[in-house]
Amino acid sequence: SAVISQKPSRDICQRGTSLTIQCQVDSQVTMMFWYRQQPGQSLTLIATANQGSEATYESGFVIDKFPISRPNLTFSTLTVSNMSPEDSSIYLCSAADRVDTEAFFGQGTRLTVV
Amino acid sequence: EDQVTQSPEALRLQEGESSSLNCSYTVSGLRGLFWYRQDPGKGPEFLFTLYSAGEEKEKERLKATLTKKESFLHITAPKPEDSATYLCAVQESGGSNYKLTFGKGTLLTVNP
Repeated sequence: SAVISQKPSRDICQRGTSLTIQCQVDSQVTMMFWYRQQPGQSLTLIATANQGSEATYESGFVIDKFPISRPNLTFSTLTVSNMSPEDSSIYLCSAADRVDTEAFFGQGTRLTVV
Repeated sequence: EDQVTQSPEALRLQEGESSSLNCSYTVSGLRGLFWYRQDPGKGPEFLFTLYSAGEEKEKERLKATLTKKESFLHITAPKPEDSATYLCAVQESGGSNYKLTFGKGTLLTVNP
């Protein structure tokens, strides 16, 4: 199983600013994903991070708000741009090797926007 | 649209008191159903994948089963360390799309 590390683990940010979350996997993986987990809500997929090309966003999420990079097979970043209090949430990085296998998750980044 | 519903939302058990968590789903075709455990302040930890109706998997005090419309996570003689939120997720068949659709989870508390 892959070990996934996220940085930072938590942050408190001012509205209107941006935060970049880093995700490092201890081995090369085919697929990386970013999820959002809001209180009382389901874990929701934001986008699939594609190595060497633009991320694939789910309905309701746009690149201008959540730019994603994936420069190689072990690393990805998610930026939460122009933050508002509604962006306060836990953001989780995930990785999987094949489409029919389990995904592994990082410990999450708890973001509070004030 | 895929839908995953978990019940109950919360469950409180005494140590040793066995019970089951339910995950009902609606997808046009199921590639896989996943169970995860999530402790406070941590990311989900993978438990099981089930691929076809009738399949069962076990790990320690946990046993997961699958039918065409739902999955059960049976917990036998639970211990306080089994306290966590249990998440169910489904993956629709077809294509190369990996997307997992999660339920809201069941918060399990096991009292000593």
